[in-house]
Amino acid sequence: DAGVTQSPTHLIKTRGQQVTLRCSPISGHKSVSWYQQVLGQGPQFIFQYYEKEERGRGNFPDRFSARQFPNYSSELNVNALLLGDSALYLCASSLTGTHNYGYTFGSGTRLTVV
Amino acid sequence: AQKVTQAQTEISVVEKEDVTLDCVYETRDTTYYLFWYKQPPSGELVFLIRRNSFDEQNEISGRYSWNFQKSTSSFNFTITASQVVDSAVYFCALSGSMDSNYQLIWGAGTKLIIKP
Repeated sequence: DAGVTQSPTHLIKTRGQQVTLRCSPISGHKSVSWYQQVLGQGPQFIFQYYEKEERGRGNFPDRFSARQFPNYSSELNVNALLLGDSALYLCASSLTGTHNYGYTFGSGTRLTVV
Repeated sequence: AQKVTQAQTEISVVEKEDVTLDCVYETRDTTYYLFWYKQPPSGELVFLIRRNSFDEQNEISGRYSWNFQKSTSSFNFTITASQVVDSAVYFCALSGSMDSNYQLIWGAGTKLIIKP
């Protein structure tokens, strides 16, 4: 079975631009979570979607948005990019989105804003 | 508020030494889960263990062992006879119940360097 797939793997954008990151969960998993990991720090929770509904949102500005599609894949959008948005963006796939079944992470998308 | 503290920023040992990574957590939830993940240079977070708050038994998996002590709010991770392949950043994480059971709260990570 394929694991969690994220695309693209690397991305360079200019300040003020918009970016879309994509995630395909493990087959059968209905929940996708997004995390931001700044270099040298632990991941920070951004969003979780379960059954195409937003279940939770972390402390991130409205420039960050996401959605989940009927096939359970997900997109994370970031508008008006700032230098501080440079980070590794990780997607986590889960059966139900809670700790009961754990989380499987993708390899991430490394975003550099210049 | 929930919090995870990994006080050791970086640890460097020589291969075959034993090493313990510390994790201290804070939560007011009575039901919660604790996790350890490994992050190699490739960036992917690799799941190592999940432990619920009602199970204080220590666990051993090969060269890895975990010591969960609710009395001190700690969930420490020991690698016995370390190997160069163990070099990575290790994260401890917490998932609570109630409103926050859908997210992981992470420590800052401990970078482990195993020298040959």
